[in-house]
Amino acid sequence: DQQVKQNSPSLSVQEGRISILNCDYTNSMFDYFLWYKKYPAEGPTFLISISSIKDKNEDGRFTVFLNKSAKHLSLHIVPSQPGDSAVYFCAARSGGGADGLTFGKGTHLIIQP
Amino acid sequence: DAGVIQSPRHEVTEMGQEVTLRCKPISGHNSLFWYRQTMMRGLELLIYFNNNVPIDDSGMPEDRFSAKMPNASFSTLKIQPSEPRDSAVYFCASTPGTEAFFGQGTRLTVV
Repeated sequence: DQQVKQNSPSLSVQEGRISILNCDYTNSMFDYFLWYKKYPAEGPTFLISISSIKDKNEDGRFTVFLNKSAKHLSLHIVPSQPGDSAVYFCAARSGGGADGLTFGKGTHLIIQP
Repeated sequence: DAGVIQSPRHEVTEMGQEVTLRCKPISGHNSLFWYRQTMMRGLELLIYFNNNVPIDDSGMPEDRFSAKMPNASFSTLKIQPSEPRDSAVYFCASTPGTEAFFGQGTRLTVV
């Protein structure tokens, strides 16, 4: 039973355009959501997060949107750059920070020149 | 701070042998997590500790897996005996309560 789902294993976007990565979740107890970026042979690195009390959080080129009623969140990257090519993991957490993160299986983003 | 430090980076062992993976969390972080990454299952949470105490080990696949955190600066994940299906990348992560910071992982190959 997968509580966090990333239905697109891969996504190809042209450099300079917008990348949109999607994530769905099933557990209504999740109250904090995060996006991680992972390069080969490295551990995931934190990118951006959003609390369930918000519907949008922006950090430079990265914006995360949360739709609680649809149990859906998305990560927008604009403009996309070659260095953004990586695997992006959506993660969710409940319990106020003490519980482990539940991850999706990831989306491999490929930025084409 | 050097971040979360895991050792070894790579481990190749024969089926049936004992394997011990090590993790040093970031100083001051009060929670530590062990994850396993495979192609089929993605990133799975195996176990996590709060203040050195194991809180939830429901993700540990079998009794062959065990984890300890004897103090705030060290944790181990042990597999005994190891099997080929244990081959994966094992990540350790620590958190002060917000986002988790990951180590670079240990790539385990059991032949």
